[in-house]
Amino acid sequence: GEDVEQSLFLSVREGDSSVINCTYTDSSSTYLYWYKQEPGAGLQLLTYIFSNMDMKQDQRLTVLLNKKDKHLSLRIADTQTGDSAIYFCAVREGGGNKLTFGTGTQLKVEL
Amino acid sequence: DSGVTQTPKHLITATGQRVTLRCSPRSGDLSVYWYQQSLDQGLQFLIQYYNGEERAKGNILERFSAQQFPDLHSELNLSSLELGDSALYFCASSRGAQGAEQYFGPGTRLTVT
Repeated sequence: GEDVEQSLFLSVREGDSSVINCTYTDSSSTYLYWYKQEPGAGLQLLTYIFSNMDMKQDQRLTVLLNKKDKHLSLRIADTQTGDSAIYFCAVREGGGNKLTFGTGTQLKVEL
Repeated sequence: DSGVTQTPKHLITATGQRVTLRCSPRSGDLSVYWYQQSLDQGLQFLIQYYNGEERAKGNILERFSAQQFPDLHSELNLSSLELGDSALYFCASSRGAQGAEQYFGPGTRLTVT
């Protein structure tokens, strides 16, 4: 089945850019997602990209997709303390509905 | 607020017991998905219902079952509970059977003692 990998931890200074990376294995993946989870809260859908796109920008968020390398990244510009959370990459397999999630990357924003 | 509601927020029960978790999807959404989040397994897809019918099945144990009612709310039933079933259970909803956007509820934290 699909395997989705993320690094576990990222620390950045407030005002810097954060880049969270994700790799996946299934080349037939159709949609790729980024979700945010704050402590004690559910998963918030941040953005998603269809597999025929290379890039998607949404305000401070930029998603880059390298389909050849099966690599997805999320760039957060001007990172704020309120961005501190766990960020999950998720992939929807071709022809299916379920999402396969990565382990999550804990982003810590320091002053 | 995603518009997906889940009750209860917390549930503490003993091994061997049975519990029911409830989910109401966003207004207009016909699909409901259940996911389990645990420390050792991460976030795993359990099952999907679309307009009352089972649509897709994931790593759901035989002790677990779900259904979606005519008013589109869904219930996840967990029986013969074990310590390892302690986890956060999330419900998500989407517009169609293959909706690109899945919106998650706040989750139900189940603790089995």
